[in-house]
Amino acid sequence: AQTVTQSQPEMSVQEAETVTLSCTYDTSENNYYLFWYKQPPSRQMILVIRQEAYKQQNATENRFSVNFQKAAKSFSLKISDSQLGDTAMYFCAFMKGIVGGADGLTFGKGTHLIIQP
Amino acid sequence: DAGVTQSPTHLIKTRGQQVTLRCSPKSGHDTVSWYQQALGQGPQFIFQYYEEEERQRGNFPDRFSGHQFPNYSSELNVNALLLGDSALYLCASSRNYNEQFFGPGTRLTVL
Repeated sequence: AQTVTQSQPEMSVQEAETVTLSCTYDTSENNYYLFWYKQPPSRQMILVIRQEAYKQQNATENRFSVNFQKAAKSFSLKISDSQLGDTAMYFCAFMKGIVGGADGLTFGKGTHLIIQP
Repeated sequence: DAGVTQSPTHLIKTRGQQVTLRCSPKSGHDTVSWYQQALGQGPQFIFQYYEEEERQRGNFPDRFSGHQFPNYSSELNVNALLLGDSALYLCASSRNYNEQFFGPGTRLTVL
């Protein structure tokens, strides 16, 4: 079974600053995917960024980037030039790769990120 | 293009009752997964449906059951409700290895 650990229950930064959210995971799988999801107070879960384990290059989506360290089983999210709209719960999630489809996601407990004006 | 939709938005039930939650996947998606999110926690995987069959299941009792219809929509049924079943129930749809798109959720309160 996989586990995902997010050690920062809450973080607060000023607008325009850079913030890094931590995530570690434990698995014996070789084929898997990692995700960061954002859940604003409206509660709709939104995908922020995705990383395939077989890719060495770190994923980037505009202001969002990851630092994927496969050997250390670490998957941190960096948010640059943070904006008020980034305030939300952020969940790190793991998905085992299976033939022909998608597996269920294993989520961490989340980090509540607050962007201060 | 409508995203994932769920109904109802909110639901209040009493202990011992049964409940059915509904989910319509995003257009073009054929796989539906259900998650339970307790207050202050991350979502937990209940099960996944593909081609009208349960393909994967998390660590949930048999009181939790589901169904997928030929149009790929899905239902989650919970029997003999317990207070601990109070949670936000999220539905997510996907196709193959693509990311799962989540619906807005159904807030279930068990009194």
